[in-house]
Amino acid sequence: DAKTTQPPSMDCAEGRAANLPCNHSTISGNEYVYWYRQIHSQGPQYIIHGLKNNETNEMASLIITEDRKSSTLILPHATLRDTAVYYCIAHAGGTSYGKLTFGQGTILTVHP
Amino acid sequence: NAGVTQTPKFQVLKTGQSMTLQCAQDMNHNSMYWYRQDPGMGLRLIYYSASEGTTDKGEVPNGYNVSRLNKREFSLRLESAAPSQTSVYFCASSDMARTYEQYFGPGTRLTVT
Repeated sequence: DAKTTQPPSMDCAEGRAANLPCNHSTISGNEYVYWYRQIHSQGPQYIIHGLKNNETNEMASLIITEDRKSSTLILPHATLRDTAVYYCIAHAGGTSYGKLTFGQGTILTVHP
Repeated sequence: NAGVTQTPKFQVLKTGQSMTLQCAQDMNHNSMYWYRQDPGMGLRLIYYSASEGTTDKGEVPNGYNVSRLNKREFSLRLESAAPSQTSVYFCASSDMARTYEQYFGPGTRLTVT
């Protein structure tokens, strides 16, 4: 899996959009970008994934640059319950199928 | 649906003791996983089971054994616990066709003294 780099922490005001960046400059063509989050003391929760097109679901949007070297997870209207550690993972299938590598992630703090 | 359940929630062991962490899922998933998370760190994969009857090593398998008892249950055994195994252990499961979308249990907090 390609190495991903995320800022260690970010702040966001409640109700504003939270934009979490991820750098994956060595990503290969068959690697997807996955995002998970981990709310304090709980197990991680899958958020969204994408290959090269932008993706949106009920939780978030994922914007991947055209060269695929970086991406941004967007929480459009952050709430206090979105305070969590957010993990960006680059992962392909094949022999490493399902073997996700979680780095240290970004601690997002949403404040009132 | 309970999702993924783990027992026990907390455990304290002395060095050299053994124990088994239990995990069960009710989502009819084929694939199951065991991770550990040390303080301030990301998760590391210990073992996984792509389907019933198969198990494979992950990133940090030393000191652990696993059993895929049936489709629902996947247990992790520490034969001789060491202080370095003090960690939070998470079990997860996924559909075989969507292994990137893993559902995690609440974790077992293990302290080895």
